[in-house]
Amino acid sequence: KQEVTQIPAALSVPEGENLVLNCSFTDSAIYNLQWFRQDPGKGLTSLLLIQSSQREQTSGRLNASLDKSSGRSTLYIAASQPGDSATYLCAPANDYKLSFGAGTTVTVRA
Amino acid sequence: DGGITQSPKYLFRKEGQNVTLSCEQNLNHDAMYWYRQDPGQGLRLIYYSQIVNDFQKGDIAEGYSVSREKKESFPLTVTSAQKNPTAFYLCARSLQGAQQPQHFGDGTRLSIL
Repeated sequence: KQEVTQIPAALSVPEGENLVLNCSFTDSAIYNLQWFRQDPGKGLTSLLLIQSSQREQTSGRLNASLDKSSGRSTLYIAASQPGDSATYLCAPANDYKLSFGAGTTVTVRA
Repeated sequence: DGGITQSPKYLFRKEGQNVTLSCEQNLNHDAMYWYRQDPGQGLRLIYYSQIVNDFQKGDIAEGYSVSREKKESFPLTVTSAQKNPTAFYLCARSLQGAQQPQHFGDGTRLSIL
C-alpha cells in the first residue's frame, strides 16, 4: 500500500521568499506524480504532472523534481506571493489510483 | 475545475437515509473517480470507472455505491450503511490510461443532521 508523507505540515514565509515543499512515498513503482493546490473549502487544482521517466517539470514559477528510486519529490515555488497561500498536495499514481498525503499548508505573509 | 461539475455544493443527510451526489463531465473523458477527504487527512479513493458500464472498488468502498450508465455521468450514492458519512467528496476525470493526469471538481460537503 502506497504511503505518502509531506513535510512540513505547515509553513509560513514572508512574501518574496522561495518555497520548498517535500513529498516522500513508499512504493517507487509509480506511473507519474501530480502536485495539486487546494484552497479552503474548494476542490483540487492540478499544478504539475511528472511522468515516471522524467526528473523535472516546470511551469512558470513552479518547478517539481522527482527521484523515483528514493521515493521523493520536491515542489519549488519561486518568489512567493500572498496568492500562493493554500494547501499543496502531492499524489503518486500506481496504476489508476492516486495516493495522497495530508498536504503542506502554506501561508505567505504580505 | 473546467469540464467537471459536482452538485450540490452542500448536502445534509438524516439517519437511515441514502443520498446521491452528482458528478458530470463534458470533455468526453473515459475515466472518472470518487474520493473522500476528511479534515487533516489525504484523499482516499472510493470507486473509479474506466469505461461505461464498468467500475471498480477503491480503498474505502463499503457503504457506497456507484453507476456508470453514461460516459458523462458518475453518481455516488452514500447509503445508510456508511456510518460516518460526514466528509468532503471529490470527483475527478481523466483520459483513459494510468499515466493520464486527473482533474477534480469543486466538491460536495456532506453533513449529518
